[in-house]
Amino acid sequence: DTGVSQDPRHKITKRGQNVTFRCDPISEHNRLYWYRQTLGQGPEFLTYFQNEAQLEKSRLLSDRFSAERPKGSFSTLEIQRTEQGDSAMYLCASSLVAGVEETQYFGPGTRLLVL
Amino acid sequence: AQTVTQSQPEMSVQEAETVTLSCTYDTSENNYYLFWYKQPPSRQMILVIRQEAYKQQNATENRFSVNFQKAAKSFSLKISDSQLGDTAMYFCAPGGGADGLTFGKGTHLIIQP
Repeated sequence: DTGVSQDPRHKITKRGQNVTFRCDPISEHNRLYWYRQTLGQGPEFLTYFQNEAQLEKSRLLSDRFSAERPKGSFSTLEIQRTEQGDSAMYLCASSLVAGVEETQYFGPGTRLLVL
Repeated sequence: AQTVTQSQPEMSVQEAETVTLSCTYDTSENNYYLFWYKQPPSRQMILVIRQEAYKQQNATENRFSVNFQKAAKSFSLKISDSQLGDTAMYFCAPGGGADGLTFGKGTHLIIQP
């Protein structure tokens, strides 16, 4: 257990529904990342936060995706109007940045299946 | 942008043998770290080892060590005395860019009893 938790661990939804995932990082970590991992591939970066500020978003992150990190603690990732192509594992990672040094620790992921 | 190539989709070795997983990468960053992560089946991504790019000395962590060749942009992982619990997907990932870690497609390592 890395200390990063995600909820739920599994989600099955119907196409067109909205879903929201939560990530709780290691408490003193100032950065929080979201990645998406499809079967047989490595994780792909979606977005990240430095404290409560969202600093970078991937082109993979369509307008249907939104992420928040209120108060710089936990984060939520919402997908609106889900599509079958959104089926994937959504991973959260957190890190404590000190100069150049940064190591990300991953949560267990939320596996999403869109029917 | 960073790119990562892991040229071995799958490897299989006998328990107690030594195995080396290869990784090459490209980055425009000057200061960066390199990481190997392990992802057992249906389980969490776990950090195996990390290397600071400005250090010439190769990182070691118990049975795990790296061979870091900065000029060649090569970052291989050696696992000595392999154990059944080492069976997993292994991902190489350079960091330091503006878009988090860039992962390769991974190498599926199978340790046979």
